[in-house]
Amino acid sequence: ETGVTQTPRHLVMGMTNKKSLKCEQHLGHNAMYWYKQSAKKPLELMFVYNFKEQTENNSVPSRFSPECPNSSHLFLHLHTLQPEDSALYLCASSQGGAGWAGELFFGEGSRLTVL
Amino acid sequence: QQQVKQSPQSLIVQKGGISIINCAYENTAFDYFPWYQQFPGKGPALLIAIRPDVSEKKEGRFTISFNKSAKQFSLHIMDSQPGDSATYFCAALNSGGGADGLTFGKGTHLIIQP
Repeated sequence: ETGVTQTPRHLVMGMTNKKSLKCEQHLGHNAMYWYKQSAKKPLELMFVYNFKEQTENNSVPSRFSPECPNSSHLFLHLHTLQPEDSALYLCASSQGGAGWAGELFFGEGSRLTVL
Repeated sequence: QQQVKQSPQSLIVQKGGISIINCAYENTAFDYFPWYQQFPGKGPALLIAIRPDVSEKKEGRFTISFNKSAKQFSLHIMDSQPGDSATYFCAALNSGGGADGLTFGKGTHLIIQP
């Protein structure tokens, strides 16, 4: 496997469910990101981990909980979501440090539908 | 407050024509301006990027023009091909701004007609 891999690619969940999105990068990078992509909106940065330390949380509701056990893996734990949380969730990686945050390598995304 | 404004929202160009997408920014601390290309079912991929110390950067058929005084930059696709049909996002970064990350435009859906 090369690049950034996200699973599952599609997820349908009810508002009371608990699920997790997984991301794995094979690029030797030290920073990982979660972005939310909704139609006709800019990509929204949710969380950033630099060298496994969370350095950004853009006022994301607590029903989204990130986890970064090592520099290659990133999770997004989901619980009691709302229908407006339906979107494409993109994972990305970059070399560590703010200077590299513009050169992102994205996965193909996890399409989430909340019923 | 949207810090990077992108236009047009959608664009149709004939094969062989020039596609032009424009972006404007507000934050003068931005110092890195990439363009990302996204095909359906795929994640965005870095296409080309520029820093404000130059006014133009060209890679193959893709050119970024940058106007620092106007706080604008644009992507030009020369000899546009049907395979260029995708959504294009401009973005901006303050590389000295800690972990703020990229600020993206809303995207332009480009269709190249054969």
